[in-house]
Amino acid sequence: EIVMTQSPATLSVSPGETATLSCRASQSITANLAWYQQKPGQAPRLLIYLASTRATGTPARFSGSGSGTEFTLTISSLQSEDFAVYYCQQNSDWVTFGGGTKVEI
Amino acid sequence: EVQLVESGGGLVQPGRSLRLSCAGSGFTFDDYAMHWVRQGPGKGLEWVSGLSWNSGTIGYADSVKGRFTISRDNAKNSLYLQMNSLRVEDTGLYYCTKDIYGNLSGGMDVWGQGTTVTVSS
Repeated sequence: EIVMTQSPATLSVSPGETATLSCRASQSITANLAWYQQKPGQAPRLLIYLASTRATGTPARFSGSGSGTEFTLTISSLQSEDFAVYYCQQNSDWVTFGGGTKVEI
Repeated sequence: EVQLVESGGGLVQPGRSLRLSCAGSGFTFDDYAMHWVRQGPGKGLEWVSGLSWNSGTIGYADSVKGRFTISRDNAKNSLYLQMNSLRVEDTGLYYCTKDIYGNLSGGMDVWGQGTTVTVSS
């Protein structure tokens, strides 16, 4: 099973700043990675797939990068609605999720 | 409107069975792979199972392999999860999700609101 490790567990930032979230795979997954945002009481929402392709409706301030085992989600100019938990997910070998990063003020 | 609606959750004793259902609408159901993803109370997301558009490829998490069975009926735009030998650790909110592709190789772009499964004596 491919293990996905996200860091940090919690990220404290201020509105207007840039947040950088990391996700590491235990073995190469090429670019088979997706990012999700989950707010309290809501189902997750797909933000990015294939490591860097924005899903329909994802604002341009969200960008994904990386390949192989190291991936990054960057949120530029954080807005109040961006404070949430973010998960990465690999689909190279079945599916596994990372443990999540909580972005808080 | 693209929508997934889960049903079938509830309170069940350890060792018993439960069958979850998911009804899809607003998209061509048989074009896409489908998944079940769960979230324990206060915990992260865990993939449970997924199957391709034609049920030709089926996968399970190690934690449920041999106990859970996923299936779909494309004529009814429906996805199912038969859960047997339930354990306390199976407790959680179960989401039905749609893959962006027909095989199990993309992100999940549509999520239902979930159905709650509680396993307790």
